[in-house]
Amino acid sequence: SQQGEEDPQALSIQEGENATMNCSYKTSINNLQWYRQNSGRGLVHLILIRSNEREKHSGRLRVTLDTSKKSSSLLITASRAADTASYFCATTQGAQKLVFGQGTRLTINP
Amino acid sequence: GAVVSQHPSRVICKSGTSVKIECRSLDFQATTMFWYRQFPKQSLMLMATSNEGSKATYEQGVEKDKFLINHASLTLSTLTVTSAHPEDSSFYICSARAETNTGELFFGEGSRLTVL
Repeated sequence: SQQGEEDPQALSIQEGENATMNCSYKTSINNLQWYRQNSGRGLVHLILIRSNEREKHSGRLRVTLDTSKKSSSLLITASRAADTASYFCATTQGAQKLVFGQGTRLTINP
Repeated sequence: GAVVSQHPSRVICKSGTSVKIECRSLDFQATTMFWYRQFPKQSLMLMATSNEGSKATYEQGVEKDKFLINHASLTLSTLTVTSAHPEDSSFYICSARAETNTGELFFGEGSRLTVL
């Protein structure tokens, strides 16, 4: 079952601004991952944060994880038009299963 | 990086026919592959876990006789939508787990099925 809830469901900002997306989950996790999906395409892995980590950076991406609140956030700094896509968080349940959140549709306006 | 290939990328079929979608890991072996379905503007819903050499594990509510999964080799899993109906029209995405420390999943580009 899908357990991740993301907000906002849709976000529209101006190029250059920062975009923040949030994800909440319900059960214990081993790690949490963020993926990007361009319209009609497959998913691209962005970043993985382990349950014992609180923050992780990768280029313009910053991910935080708060296991006490069962939530994570993805921050994209200095957004570009090419960042327009849907972003999904996903948690690993048990040994293998990856369960996705509902996603945030991000639109960067030039 | 690791590449997962899906074929076909788009398929249109008549109601009642069966459609097979292939998922291949091109440069790594994958004992486990996953099949997801995605409806427009929605998230990915896990359908089943495909295990090489054994039966697939289906998620609750997914009909195993409707969605046949075969994982006959370490680089190929197939999903066959049997007796397809218009409500089966969707975007089907496979993923394969690389045998690395992180067990990162790599996704195919998806297959869009339209049943007329």
